Amino acid sequence: GENVEQHPSTLSVQEGDSAVIKCTYSDSASNYFPWYKQELGKRPQLIIDIRSNVGEKKDQRIAVTLNKTAKHFSLHITETQPEDSAVYFCAAWRQAGTALIFGKGTTLSVSS
Amino acid sequence: NAGVTQTPKFRILKIGQSMTLQCTQDMNHNYMYWYRQDPGMGLKLIYYSVGAGITDKGEVPNGYNVSRSTTEDFPLRLELAAPSQTSVYFCASSHSDRPYGYTFGSGTRLTVV
Repeated sequence: GENVEQHPSTLSVQEGDSAVIKCTYSDSASNYFPWYKQELGKRPQLIIDIRSNVGEKKDQRIAVTLNKTAKHFSLHITETQPEDSAVYFCAAWRQAGTALIFGKGTTLSVSS
Repeated sequence: NAGVTQTPKFRILKIGQSMTLQCTQDMNHNYMYWYRQDPGMGLKLIYYSVGAGITDKGEVPNGYNVSRSTTEDFPLRLELAAPSQTSVYFCASSHSDRPYGYTFGSGTRLTVV
């Protein structure tokens, strides 16, 4: 089955810096890669996703990149703000009739 | 439109007791899922369902059971609670048009003592 590895487990940055979270997946048939943000005590929420035929996608201060050959994808947050502090999860989706497999999460702390 | 509703929000069980975690969605989503979240371990898939009458095991199904008699409801049953089942449980749903775009419930924090 699919296995998703996520690094780092914790990340501390200063406000205004950039943050990068990296994930690798094992199943070459996986074709959608969403990212979820979970604020303390709340439910995870989808923030951005990328499909396997796209190399990069941007939405304001966040971007995702995908290297299908190497089977890794990354989340990039620029000009970080304290409200970006949260746990971020990457995930991989293989096909209809299955479910997302999540990485273990990255706790991002942005200090002002 | 309430989205995904989970009950209860908190529960303390004694070892060996049973309980059912309720999950209901009103978005006409055909896919529904149960995950558990343990500190530092991410979200682990327990069971999922692609439609009424269809369920499948996920990564960590032992000690749990599910049923899907309607599109809206996907209850999770714990038969003999064990301390290892202490966790936060999230139900989620999605539509087949965008199956990886989950809507999560607010979670149930379960403690087994």
